[in-house]
Amino acid sequence: AQSVSQHNHHVILSEAASLELGCNYSYGGTVNLFWYVQYPGQHLQLLLKYFSGDPLVKGIKGFEAEFIKSKFSFNLRKPSVQWSDTAEYFCAVNAADYKLSFGAGTTVTVRA
Amino acid sequence: GAGVSQSPSNKVTEKGKDVELRCDPISGHTALYWYRQSLGQGLEFLIYFQGNSAPDKSGLPSDRFSAERTGGSVSTLTIQRTQQEDSAVYLCASSLATSYGYTFGSGTRLTVV
Repeated sequence: AQSVSQHNHHVILSEAASLELGCNYSYGGTVNLFWYVQYPGQHLQLLLKYFSGDPLVKGIKGFEAEFIKSKFSFNLRKPSVQWSDTAEYFCAVNAADYKLSFGAGTTVTVRA
Repeated sequence: GAGVSQSPSNKVTEKGKDVELRCDPISGHTALYWYRQSLGQGLEFLIYFQGNSAPDKSGLPSDRFSAERTGGSVSTLTIQRTQQEDSAVYLCASSLATSYGYTFGSGTRLTVV
C-alpha cells in the first residue's frame, strides 16, 4: 500500500517569504499526485494535481509543485506567501487503485 | 448539484446512540468516498463506492460502522453505539473517475459526549 509523508508538521513564516513543503510517497508504479488546501473553517480544496507530462505543475493562487520521480517527491512551492495562505496543506497520492492516500498535513501560519 | 453536500454539518450525540451522516455527491459522479479527519490524525480512508457497490470497506474502523449508497447517488454512513473516539469530522468526496482529483464536501463534525 502506498504511504505519503509530509516532512513538516507546522511552518511559520512572514509575508513575502518563500514557502516549500515537502512530500514523499512510497509506491514504485505510476501515480497521480495532488495537493489540497484547507483554509480555517473551510473544506478541502484542490490546489493542483499531476497526472503526466511536465513535472512542474502550476496551480491556483500562485502555487506550483515539482514531481521528481527519482526521489518519489512532489514538493509544493510558492515564491512569496500572503497572510491569506494561512491554512493546512495536504499532499495526496493515488496509484493503481482508487484510494487517495493523504499525508498527515502541514499547518502553515503566515504572520503579517 | 454544484458541489458535494453533507448533512448535518454538526452533530452532537450521546455515547451509545446511533447516528446517520448523509452525503449527496456531484451529479454524475460515480465514485464516492468517505474519510474521517481527526485532530492530529490527518485524513483516514473509510470506504469507497463505485456506483452502489462498495469494493473496499477495509477502512471502516469497526463493525459499528456501515455505509450504503442508493441510486448511484446519495450515501449514508451509519455509526451504531457511538463511542467518544468516534468524534471527528466525517468527509465525503466524489469523483468522475478514480484517477481524477476528488471534490470534497464541507464535512459533518461529530461530537460524542
